[in-house]
Amino acid sequence: AQSVAQPEDQVNVAEGNPLTVKCTYSVSGNPYLFWYVQYPNRGLQFLLKYITGDNLVKGSYGFEAEFNKSQTSFHLKKPSALVSDSALYFCAVREYSSASKIIFGSGTRLSIRP
Amino acid sequence: GAVVSQHPSWVICKSGTSVKIECRSLDFQATTMFWYRQFPKQSLMLMATSNEGSKATYEQGVEKDKFLINHASLTLSTLTVTSAHPEDSSFYICSARDETNTQYFGPGTRLTVL
Repeated sequence: AQSVAQPEDQVNVAEGNPLTVKCTYSVSGNPYLFWYVQYPNRGLQFLLKYITGDNLVKGSYGFEAEFNKSQTSFHLKKPSALVSDSALYFCAVREYSSASKIIFGSGTRLSIRP
Repeated sequence: GAVVSQHPSWVICKSGTSVKIECRSLDFQATTMFWYRQFPKQSLMLMATSNEGSKATYEQGVEKDKFLINHASLTLSTLTVTSAHPEDSSFYICSARDETNTQYFGPGTRLTVL
């Protein structure tokens, strides 16, 4: 069975500093990995995905994530945080099979202080 | 990127009435759409998977007679909450999957049942 874990409920970072939001996953086959962001009372916005190819994936708003197969991780990163990055971030995984459902992590609240 | 719309964005109804929520993929065709429910400060809970032209597949514990799903075309899926009760009050989010297996989410519908 597939699963995804976000070990941190909240991450606090000062504006201008680099940020990392952690995600680890478990699937039996090849994974599709995603990051989404949710602002208050809104749906999820797609940030980036990994399917195949380069392990470092670049996405929207200056975010990037690195796929690490040996550590089964897909941490979200940004070199310099903005206050506007404050939101709820979800990591998600899906197995390669077309019948597989996407599974979400529990979410990490990112708070950027001025 | 791909856009998914939902209508209405919020609805207030009396107990016992039915409410229909529409989900549309605006610039791509989606053979598969998903309906989620999100409780405050929690992750998304998958309710059902909707495939165009066929019956929806419901997750365990979700009443198919209460949450009617219709996926009439490649760009439209509807969720009808029948005989709504206060415990059905929640944030409902739809999602559509494109041909690259990426899921895009609608902005959500806040349902309040009085």
